[in-house]
Amino acid sequence: DVKVTQSSRYLVKRTGEKVFLECVQDMDHENMFWYRQDPGLGLRLIYFSYDVKMKEKGDIPEGYSVSREKKERFSLILESASTNQTSMYLCASSLPREGENYGYTFGSGTRLTVV
Amino acid sequence: QKEVEQNSGPLSVPEGAIASLNCTYSDRGSQSFFWYRQYSGKSPELIMFIYSNGDKEDGRFTAQLNKASQYVSLLIRDSQPSDSATYLCAATGFQKLVFGTGTRLLVSP
Repeated sequence: DVKVTQSSRYLVKRTGEKVFLECVQDMDHENMFWYRQDPGLGLRLIYFSYDVKMKEKGDIPEGYSVSREKKERFSLILESASTNQTSMYLCASSLPREGENYGYTFGSGTRLTVV
Repeated sequence: QKEVEQNSGPLSVPEGAIASLNCTYSDRGSQSFFWYRQYSGKSPELIMFIYSNGDKEDGRFTAQLNKASQYVSLLIRDSQPSDSATYLCAATGFQKLVFGTGTRLLVSP
């Protein structure tokens, strides 16, 4: 069974801390994505990557950075956590656009609380 | 900005009824469309995808696509309380999927 694994299910961090959220996929997918999800706002794309060492900004990249040193791992970094970054963070992966279908597989999510 | 629009709901249906969830999209270049189910506190799970005009059936689920009207729907037959969740519609956009904000479905026993 294909898997996208996020390292933490729940995380509590203090304001100003540097926070690392890790995501690993075992499907040999080229594409990986980081979203945050907040009530009423839906899924908002933070960053995505189509290949090792490359990254693209999504819709809300401010306050975040990413790292993709290996194909299977995509890390989201909150440089200095703030309370408005309290959210559910979802990682996803997919194959490149081949044919008609390249749906995403999501990880189980990390609920981050910044206090 | 390419968009996918969904009514936020909640859509309330009794057990055993047909639930009809709808979605419109703005990008005429979108090729494929996806329905994800998301239970409260959980991550989205892909349940259907469709890329040809018409209907696609999978068990109790039917996805319908009308590209001329830029309209996608999901029908759930014989709705069960376990179908109560938020359903996200997504369309292919440039380099990535574009998601709607989801419709909350409540199925009452």
